Amino acid sequence: QVQLVQSGSELKRPGASVKVSCKASGYTFTKYTMNWVRQAPGQGLEWMGWINANTGNPTYAQGFTGRFVFSLDTSVSTAYLQISSLKAEDTAVYYCARDSEGADYWGQGTLVTVSS
Amino acid sequence: QSVVTQPPSATGTPGQRVTISCSGSNSNIGRHDVYWYQQLPGTAPKLLIYKTNQRPSGVPDRFSGSKSGTSASLAISGLRSEDEADYYCAVWDVTLSGAVFGGGTKLTVL
Repeated sequence: QVQLVQSGSELKRPGASVKVSCKASGYTFTKYTMNWVRQAPGQGLEWMGWINANTGNPTYAQGFTGRFVFSLDTSVSTAYLQISSLKAEDTAVYYCARDSEGADYWGQGTLVTVSS
Repeated sequence: QSVVTQPPSATGTPGQRVTISCSGSNSNIGRHDVYWYQQLPGTAPKLLIYKTNQRPSGVPDRFSGSKSGTSASLAISGLRSEDEADYYCAVWDVTLSGAVFGGGTKLTVL
């Protein structure tokens, strides 16, 4: 069965960096694009962009350029989201979600808290 | 502010039929398929409707989607207490060259 398992919660200081992982299993990793979605506390969903797991080509939504980087390690079927120069407003749950006629499988989410 | 608008809340009673709207423009809903997601409290979102009116395997036929012009709707018939959740529409926007979510609708089952 398809599963996306994300890394655990993170507590970071402002200005630091964080790398969230999303390990896929149950399907051929390189056949599907992976979405990243942000949900700030008490807020709605925001599409951050996606990465083509076959080519490694990322696409970033407006507002998620510069400090946000999507990457892959296809040898371990894992997608990564790295955020640098963290700010308090980056505090959110970050989800990975496989793209197949919609985001059909989601990770459990990773809470990133940015606080001094 | 999302370019796709949903009512912040909706209410229904068990057994009732409720609809949730998603209003956009010719840059998004007017030319692309709409997707709907259900997010139960404290959990990850779940795909409910894809390609405007298709249900993934396992989604009850109580849930249905439709679109007319630049607006889309999610209908839930035979409302149940377990349907209490946040519902989001999503669609590709050609102007933004990216996907957008509606702001979400919190459904309360009285």
